[in-house]
Amino acid sequence: DGGITQSPKYLFRKEGQNVTLSCEQNLNHDAMYWYRQDPGQGLRLIYYSQIVNDFQKGDIAEGYSVSREKKESFPLTVTSAQKNPTAFYLCASSMDGGPGELFFGEGSRLTVL
Amino acid sequence: AQSVAQPEDQVNVAEGNPLTVKCTYSVSGNPYLFWYVQYPNRGLQFLLKYITGDNLVKGSYGFEAEFNKSQTSFHLKKPSALVSDSALYFCAVSPVMYSGGGADGLTFGKGTHLIIQP
Repeated sequence: DGGITQSPKYLFRKEGQNVTLSCEQNLNHDAMYWYRQDPGQGLRLIYYSQIVNDFQKGDIAEGYSVSREKKESFPLTVTSAQKNPTAFYLCASSMDGGPGELFFGEGSRLTVL
Repeated sequence: AQSVAQPEDQVNVAEGNPLTVKCTYSVSGNPYLFWYVQYPNRGLQFLLKYITGDNLVKGSYGFEAEFNKSQTSFHLKKPSALVSDSALYFCAVSPVMYSGGGADGLTFGKGTHLIIQP
């Protein structure tokens, strides 16, 4: 089955630690995205990538980093510089970066202890 | 910059009754408009989109939405609600002429919890 796989689904981290969230897709999509979801705030774009080896900051990139070494993979690192990292993180992809229809993974819930 | 307003945090509807989830938007020029649904602790699923053409758009699971340019609205509707429709619904907008293209120009509303009561 084609889709987007995020791992881990749940993750606990101590303050001051970096953590990397995995996102893999087998849809052959060019564009990939990371969103952060907080209760009552909708989705906010962290980073996006429209082609391999290129990515752009979204609205809330501070404290996060990404890489896009392969078309299938777009990992997100939440660094210790992120002041409030506890959130639900969603990875998405789209076929060619055209308007709108995104395919989402199941999400990763990060809790900082 | 574009914006999306979903004025109701929660909508309660009895099973079998029609439902409406409201969305208004602000964007420069013509919009692309979308509805997504999210079940608890899951990712979002695409429901429907308006790009151009007929103002009434039909989507998945019997949902439809009506684009109203004069009122800058894109309300989600269903003639007869099911308990299984209970979820969090997001409206999203992108300007047609966004130079970057794609979802990097997509702005989401804050979401509306739809609760269908048996």
